[in-house]
Amino acid sequence: DQQVKQNSPSLSVQEGRISILNCDYTNSMFDYFLWYKKYPAEGPTFLISISSIKDKNEDGRFTVFLNKSAKHLSLHIVPSQPGDSAVYFCAASFQGAQKLVFGQGTRLTINP
Amino acid sequence: DVKVTQSSRYLVKRTGEKVFLECVQDMDHENMFWYRQDPGLGLRLIYFSYDVKMKEKGDIPEGYSVSREKKERFSLILESASTNQTSMYLCASSLWIEQFFGPGTRLTVL
Repeated sequence: DQQVKQNSPSLSVQEGRISILNCDYTNSMFDYFLWYKKYPAEGPTFLISISSIKDKNEDGRFTVFLNKSAKHLSLHIVPSQPGDSAVYFCAASFQGAQKLVFGQGTRLTINP
Repeated sequence: DVKVTQSSRYLVKRTGEKVFLECVQDMDHENMFWYRQDPGLGLRLIYFSYDVKMKEKGDIPEGYSVSREKKERFSLILESASTNQTSMYLCASSLWIEQFFGPGTRLTVL
């Protein structure tokens, strides 16, 4: 039972354009969401998060949008840069729980 | 800065061997986790620990055990390695929700 789904295994975007990565979840009890970025042969690193009391959180080139009614979140990267090429994982949690539930990941490739 | 270190970056073992993967964190975090990452499956939780000597099963604990004798150290044990345990193993620690990951151990079981 995949509670967090990233339905696009890969995405290719031109440098300078917007990258949009999507994530869907099924459990309405989730109330905190995170995005992680992972380079090959390295561990994932935290990128940005959002609480369910918000619908948008911004940090520099990265913005996460949360649509609770649709159980959908997205990560926008503007403008995309070659260093953004990596695998991106979304993750979800409940308040008070320490566990994260991860999606399958989306491999983002930024083309020059 | 939180630092999570794992004992090996690459490991090759034979079927049936006992394998120990070690993880150490230096930020006094209560929570520690072991995941495996496989293509198309994302990160799957094997075991986690909320405190010293405490352990909880994750989603895929079969074939694995863990040990947490000290707060900073969390070990993953493969009692008898099998080829389907070839994977990338990631350790993480956390104080609250955000988890900090080590660099991973690429384990190959022949």
